[in-house]
Amino acid sequence: QKEVEQNSGPLSVPEGAIASLNCTYSDRVSQSFFWYRQYSGKSPELIMSIYSNGDKEDGRFTAQLNKASQYVSLLIRDSQPSDSATYLCAVPANQAGTALIFGKGTTLSVSS
Amino acid sequence: KAGVTQTPRYLIKTRGQQVTLSCSPISGHRSVSWYQQTPGQGLQFLFEYFSETQRNKGNFPGRFSGRQFSNSRSEMNVSTLELGDSALYLCASSSDGYSTDTQYFGPGTRLTVL
Repeated sequence: QKEVEQNSGPLSVPEGAIASLNCTYSDRVSQSFFWYRQYSGKSPELIMSIYSNGDKEDGRFTAQLNKASQYVSLLIRDSQPSDSATYLCAVPANQAGTALIFGKGTTLSVSS
Repeated sequence: KAGVTQTPRYLIKTRGQQVTLSCSPISGHRSVSWYQQTPGQGLQFLFEYFSETQRNKGNFPGRFSGRQFSNSRSEMNVSTLELGDSALYLCASSSDGYSTDTQYFGPGTRLTVL
């Protein structure tokens, strides 16, 4: 059974700072990695996906993947209070289908 | 396009009863997955359907079942409800059912078992 581990937090950063969220996974064959954001009382929404080692940037968000270390991270630059949410890391349960294994999430709080 | 819709949004049941939840995916999407979210266990995968076939199943007891219809709408059923089944049940749809697909989540059904 695959496992995805995240620090539950809360991670508190001041407005304008860089927030760094980390995730480790147990399965060496995982090829796709996803970061979802979930606001309190809302459903998860995809913010980043990454498939290759290295960095992938999208606006203020950068995902970093290191398959050798089984580690994926999400950096949020110029953090805003609106970024306060729970961030969920996920990997596919297997290669056939869309079933995802989620970490328990890291709660981020950005103070103004 | 309309998003993923789930009905009902809230449900209160008593132990021993059964419940059916419904999910309508985004138009054109053929894959539907179901997840259970609780404060203690987080978001856990229940099952996935693609073109009316169950393709993956999570580690849940047989009381949890589901199906998908020819129009891609899906239902999940929980029989003999237990207090621990109280959770937010989320449905997600994706277009082609590949592991790299983006999944779009519905608003969820909040089930409370008394």
